[in-house]
Amino acid sequence: ETGVTQSPTHLIKTRGQQVTLRCSSQSGHNTVSWYQQALGQGPQFIFQYYREEENGRGNFPPRFSGLQFPNYSSELNVNALELDDSALYLCASTGSRDRGGYSGYTFGSGTRLTVV
Amino acid sequence: DAKTTQPPSMDCAEGRAANLPCNHSTISGNEYVYWYRQIHSQGPQYIIHGLKNNETNEMASLIITEDRKSSTLILPHATLRDTAVYYCIVRSYNTDKLIFGTGTRLQVFP
Repeated sequence: ETGVTQSPTHLIKTRGQQVTLRCSSQSGHNTVSWYQQALGQGPQFIFQYYREEENGRGNFPPRFSGLQFPNYSSELNVNALELDDSALYLCASTGSRDRGGYSGYTFGSGTRLTVV
Repeated sequence: DAKTTQPPSMDCAEGRAANLPCNHSTISGNEYVYWYRQIHSQGPQYIIHGLKNNETNEMASLIITEDRKSSTLILPHATLRDTAVYYCIVRSYNTDKLIFGTGTRLQVFP
């Protein structure tokens, strides 16, 4: 089975621009989450999509938005980029939830975004 | 905010057991303890999780105290490739987000 793949791996953008990051979830996984990881910090939850609907959101402004497609792949869009948006953006996928909790999320290697 | 407390760093000799502690004194009855690790420049990797019983898999063992206020991740025979940041996370089974703290940076030395 394939894991989670993200593209691009690195990206440089100018302040004020918009960016779209992409994620292909692991085969059989229908839930996708996005995280932002600043240098030296743990990942911070942005939002999650389940069956094409957003079903959880962290403390991020509306200029962070997303989509999930019928094949469960996902996009993260960030408008009006700020210097503080420079970070590693991680996508994670998991399968259906059960009473025992998820067995665990599978993370991609991330997209490193630099805003200049 | 993260509901766990971990030491910022630990060292371990190669071949020895690495015991990584985690405090989660405010854990509630429906919350699981998850462990992930992140090797430099990669995404976090799931290691193990448990509710109240000790758990073991091919990667590690998880020991949860009877009162569930703390746990220990055990890597039985640490290798240089186990050098990473280890995150202990408390998560409700009906909540999908993972709240990461700053983790423990484990350095395995020869």
